[in-house]
Amino acid sequence: AQTVTQSQPEMSVQEAETVTLSCTYDTSESNYYLFWYKQPPSRQMILVIRQEAYKQQNATENRFSVNFQKAAKSFSLKISDSQLGDTAMYFCAFMKHEGYGGATNKLIFGTGTLLAVQP
Amino acid sequence: EAGVTQFPSHSVIEKGQTVTLRCDPISGHDNLYWYRRVMGKEIKFLLHFVKESKQDESGMPNNRFLAERTGGTYSTLKVQPAELEDSGVYFCASSLWGLPSTDTQYFGPGTRLTVL
Repeated sequence: AQTVTQSQPEMSVQEAETVTLSCTYDTSESNYYLFWYKQPPSRQMILVIRQEAYKQQNATENRFSVNFQKAAKSFSLKISDSQLGDTAMYFCAFMKHEGYGGATNKLIFGTGTLLAVQP
Repeated sequence: EAGVTQFPSHSVIEKGQTVTLRCDPISGHDNLYWYRRVMGKEIKFLLHFVKESKQDESGMPNNRFLAERTGGTYSTLKVQPAELEDSGVYFCASSLWGLPSTDTQYFGPGTRLTVL
């Protein structure tokens, strides 16, 4: 069974600085996807970034980038130029590629990291 | 385009009572997922609908939980009778039918259920 571990329950960063959230996972699969979701206070969870395991290049989305180390099964999220609006719970998630169409592509989540951006 | 909506946002009930949670997915999304987060723990998969059919309900805790998706549109999750350990946040997510590379799961705001 796949597991996802986020070892940092809470983190804090000053506005405009850079912060890295860690995530490790365990799987014997070779074809899978990894995600970072964020849930701001009292708001719904949104996708921040996704990474296909077969791609060697690290995914980036504006100020958000990942460091994907497949052999080490590590998937960290780097937030550059942190903004107050980045304050949120961040969840790392794994998805095994089960198939197409109606296959159940369930997400397996870590316990989350609560990030506070300080002014 | 409206996102995934869930109702109610909060529910507080007594042990033994019944509660029904509702999820309205994004229009046109055939895949609908239910997840649950118990306080301080990870978010866990409950079940998956494709249109009105249950594709995978391996994550449902027990037979006190009943999920339906009539007509392939909105879905309900009923807990009857509720127990203390059912407390948590219930999330719904929807995605398009298609390739995993494109079927991003869009989440609703969740329903916080408290069983006293």
